[in-house]
Amino acid sequence: NAGVTQTPKFQVLKTGQSMTLQCAQDMNHEYMSWYRQDPGMGLRLIHYSVGAGITDQGEVPNGYNVSRSTTEDFPLRLLSAAPSQTSVYFCASRAGTFQPQHFGDGTRLSIL
Amino acid sequence: QKEVEQDPGPLSVPEGAIVSLNCTYSNSAFQYFMWYRQYSRKGPELLMYTYSSGNKEDGRFTAQVDKSSKYISLFIRDSQPSDSATYLCAMTQAQKLVFGQGTRLTINP
Repeated sequence: NAGVTQTPKFQVLKTGQSMTLQCAQDMNHEYMSWYRQDPGMGLRLIHYSVGAGITDQGEVPNGYNVSRSTTEDFPLRLLSAAPSQTSVYFCASRAGTFQPQHFGDGTRLSIL
Repeated sequence: QKEVEQDPGPLSVPEGAIVSLNCTYSNSAFQYFMWYRQYSRKGPELLMYTYSSGNKEDGRFTAQVDKSSKYISLFIRDSQPSDSATYLCAMTQAQKLVFGQGTRLTINP
């Protein structure tokens, strides 16, 4: 009963480094999304996908890339990490447009 | 102005009290309304999910939606220390899901 699985749980990067946050879901959901959560800002949408091969930008996409080659996986890439990207990142999936989101437990990322 | 406004708190109440959490919104196109609970160092988990104006009850939790006033509420009866968490409202319009800031709630034994 895995649901949405995110790896790693914690990561520390230096400014300028790149990395990929992994997200996998086993519920056969078409919709997947990446959010960042910062104190006082709530959850902000970075990128989302409505199915394999289809992605689109959310509210705060700059500095991040995504791809969706399979229904199950939706990795988030930081191209050149900046201190402003220090945050908690959540991946979520849902079955359809008006269906509720299921969230992973997050990746805590610090950029030094 | 944010599309969804939620008082971040913190809110602290004694065990057994009735808790009222609220959100207001400005976009009348929002159609579905949700409440999520988030424990420390965990992802949000869905508590309540409603579409129409009115009340929806699930155990000690009641979600209330007033579309005419653009106002939603979550009531927790007989609050327990295990209810201590951050509560986020969320609402959808087509592909878009917008979250409130979250209210941090502490129930004191």
